[in-house]
Amino acid sequence: GAGVSQSPRYKVAKRGQDVALRCDPISGHVSLFWYQQALGQGPEFLTYFQNEAQLDKSGLPSDRFFAERPEGSVSTLKIQRTQQEDSAVYLCASSPRGRAGGAKNIQYFGAGTRLSVL
Amino acid sequence: ELKVEQNPLFLSMQEGKNYTIYCNYSTTSDRLYWYRQDPGKSLESLFVLLSNGAVKQEGRLMASLDTKARLSTLHITAAVHDLSATYFCAVDWVSGTYKYIFGTGTRLKVLA
Repeated sequence: GAGVSQSPRYKVAKRGQDVALRCDPISGHVSLFWYQQALGQGPEFLTYFQNEAQLDKSGLPSDRFFAERPEGSVSTLKIQRTQQEDSAVYLCASSPRGRAGGAKNIQYFGAGTRLSVL
Repeated sequence: ELKVEQNPLFLSMQEGKNYTIYCNYSTTSDRLYWYRQDPGKSLESLFVLLSNGAVKQEGRLMASLDTKARLSTLHITAAVHDLSATYFCAVDWVSGTYKYIFGTGTRLKVLA
């Protein structure tokens, strides 16, 4: 497709359940980002990939959060043993070049996955 | 730690009126982005501001950047209902890696 695709769009999980969120970036985009957006807040950075390399995971809130991008394209964000505070919209973004790609390296966002933990 | 603050957080305005949204950030950066988000939808890129004094305009929206004051503004001229959305500014923080630091957003409602 032409844009960043995320699935599922909505996910309801019971507390303690593991979830996996998928992101299909724009074809050929080098960089991929995950953000967490709580209700009424701005997105907050979780992690960054350049191709298959995870260069920054400083925003992951706990070791229950894990992200991968094994072939440098599709990425999965996994949350283990979900807690109520994990409820949020998880946004994926991609950009054409890597971190040295220059100033116009705009990030293109998917519609997000809304996770509700009961 | 880079912080980005927007004000106002909420803005209700009449159609035809003008208003400005402010975005302040705490650390040197010369890359600032404005995005629009409709409920349940993706963030849509509006403007990319890359240097001090940059000004970009699209329709009824105009964005500017003052890197010395660490301030960006998004000015709305003669608002129309279709502009109702949440607007975010984001600063590109290049610090070993790079990531966007977003403001808290301004929820704009334009009343007919």
